[in-house]
Amino acid sequence: DVQVVESGGGLVKPGGSLRLSCILSGFSFDDYSLNWVRQAPGKGLQWVSSISSTGTHRSYADSTKGRFTVSRDSAQNSLFLQMNSLTVEDTGVYYCARGSRVGGSYSDYWGQGTLVTVSS
Amino acid sequence: SYVLAQAPSVSVAPGQTARITCGGHNIGSKDVNWYHQKPGRAPVLVVFDNSGRPSGIPERFSGSRSDNTATLTINRVEAGDEADYYCQVWDDNTDHVVFGGGTKLIVL
Repeated sequence: DVQVVESGGGLVKPGGSLRLSCILSGFSFDDYSLNWVRQAPGKGLQWVSSISSTGTHRSYADSTKGRFTVSRDSAQNSLFLQMNSLTVEDTGVYYCARGSRVGGSYSDYWGQGTLVTVSS
Repeated sequence: SYVLAQAPSVSVAPGQTARITCGGHNIGSKDVNWYHQKPGRAPVLVVFDNSGRPSGIPERFSGSRSDNTATLTINRVEAGDEADYYCQVWDDNTDHVVFGGGTKLIVL
């Protein structure tokens, strides 16, 4: 069975940094793109970042570009999101999701999310 | 940037058909995915690539699209279908994934 487990969320002050991790298992990790999606309290889904299966192609939402860095480690079957210069608008639940194997932009398996709270 | 427009809510009686729409410029040329999300839970993919259905998703859920509108149709609606529904595409102009604002399905 495919499993997706995020960690690393917590309370951080504005301007601070946080590193989210996600462990994925139950499938061939190197074959799939991976995504981060967040959800502010009471709001809709917002795409944050994606990384290709090989890690060579990365894309970011305009609101996070230059502050967030996505990476992956096949030895650990893990996805990471380094978040710097955090603002209160970055508060929300961050979901890690498995992307597509060949083409497609959908995310078919999602973790339960990790809560990031940016507050002074 | 590419925008997907969804109505805030749709109401339907049990046993009836719910149609949730997603408007976007020339969306008929893009692959559309749909998710549902219940309170406090992670999103669940219900339709991928316009009309594909992941394993475990009932045949009552189907997707379609025309020039500027994509539609998620739920036949024989059940109380358990009450959730927020989101459409999603990939915008090749910006290399961004885009979500619609979400539609709350209310089962009367």
